[in-house]
Formats: sequence, C-alpha cells, structure tokens
Amino acid sequence: GDSVTQMEGPVTLSEEAFLTINCTYTATGYPSLFWYVQYPGEGLQLLLKATKADDKGSNKGFEATYRKETTSFHLEKGSVQVSDSAVYFCALTLQTGANNLFFGTGTRLTVIP
Amino acid sequence: DAGVIQSPRHEVTEMGQEVTLRCKPISGHDYLFWYRQTMMRGLELLIYFNNNVPIDDSGMPEDRFSAKMPNASFSTLKIQPSEPRDSAVYFCASSLLRSARIDNEQFFGPGTRLTVL
Repeated sequence: GDSVTQMEGPVTLSEEAFLTINCTYTATGYPSLFWYVQYPGEGLQLLLKATKADDKGSNKGFEATYRKETTSFHLEKGSVQVSDSAVYFCALTLQTGANNLFFGTGTRLTVIP
Repeated sequence: DAGVIQSPRHEVTEMGQEVTLRCKPISGHDYLFWYRQTMMRGLELLIYFNNNVPIDDSGMPEDRFSAKMPNASFSTLKIQPSEPRDSAVYFCASSLLRSARIDNEQFFGPGTRLTVL
C-alpha cells in the first residue's frame, strides 16, 4: 500500500546546526510529496511540497527534493534556529482520485541555544 | 478567511459521557478530514468527506465513533459513550481539489484536546 517512512526522533540540535530528516515513500502511482510542521499547541501547517520528480520544494530556509530513483523526500535546513523546534511530518498523496494524505509518524525537533 | 475553526478547544469529560466535537471548514473547500493524534499512535485519519458525503470511514476505531457533515460549512465528530483511551487531540482539516492540478494541501484547525477521565 501507499505509505511514508520517516526518520525516528526525537532530534536535538544546537542552534545553527545542519538538519536532515529522512523520509522515504512507497506509492503505487506518482505521488505528490509534502512536509508539514506542527508547532507546540497548534495544528499542522504546510511547510513545502513537490509534485513531480526532481522538483525541489523550499520555504523558510527548508528544502526537500523529490527523488524518484530513491523514493525519498528528505528535509534539510542549513542552519536551524530555536524557533524551528516543532514536529515535522512527511506526507504523500496520489495524483489520481482521492484527496487524502498519507502521513509519516512525525519527527520531533528540538533546537537548543 | 478565518481558517478551519474547531470547538471546543479543550474538553474534559467522564467515561461514559457523550462528546461532540465541531468543525467549520474553510469556505469553498470540498474535502473535510477528521484526524486523531496521540503519542502512541501518531496522526491517524479517522474519516473524510467530499461534498458532504463520507468517502472513507475505515479509520473510525469503533461504532462508538460517528461523524456527520449536514452541510458544506459544518461537521461533527461524536463519541458515545466515551472511554479514557479516546483521550487525544482531534484535528479537523479541509482542502480543495483543483481540477487542473492536485495540490491536495490540507488546512488544519487548531485541534480539540479531549480528556476522558
């Protein structure tokens, strides 16, 4: 079935460190891929997305590239800030029919000063 | 637009009581989703609607759970009777399926934190 596998957390980094959160997917078709972020006490919000192979999504200094050959969509940021502390969810949706997202389990990131 | 609105934000109830969670999606959106989030199980899709019609309720855990969408601007998730293991944060989300491209971005509400004692 269609699914997303995310790097286990939690992840703790010092401010200005480099961040990578791994995400791989399994899909029967050609999915669109997303990263959502959940700040403490809030709902999820879209961070970035990519809809086809080799697309790069970017937002707020975060980037992720849709790699069809490795079925991956790893999230990266060159220099994290304390305000980036949150839970990050990788997700996919198929580009046919239903509009539902398949979410990964989430990775909690804590950035310490 | 005010975004997805959920009420109440917090609910504390006793085991056996009926609980009703409410959601107002973003105006014009044609999909509505209910999720449950717990530490143990993460984010689970319970049910989703398209144009007010339930499409997939396979994630609803038991018959104690029911969801309705009487019109395009309102949905409820009801638990009757509630149990302590239902304690979780329940999220509502809405989206718009674009005809030319499927972006499928979902807009989440702030959630309802349910505690069943």
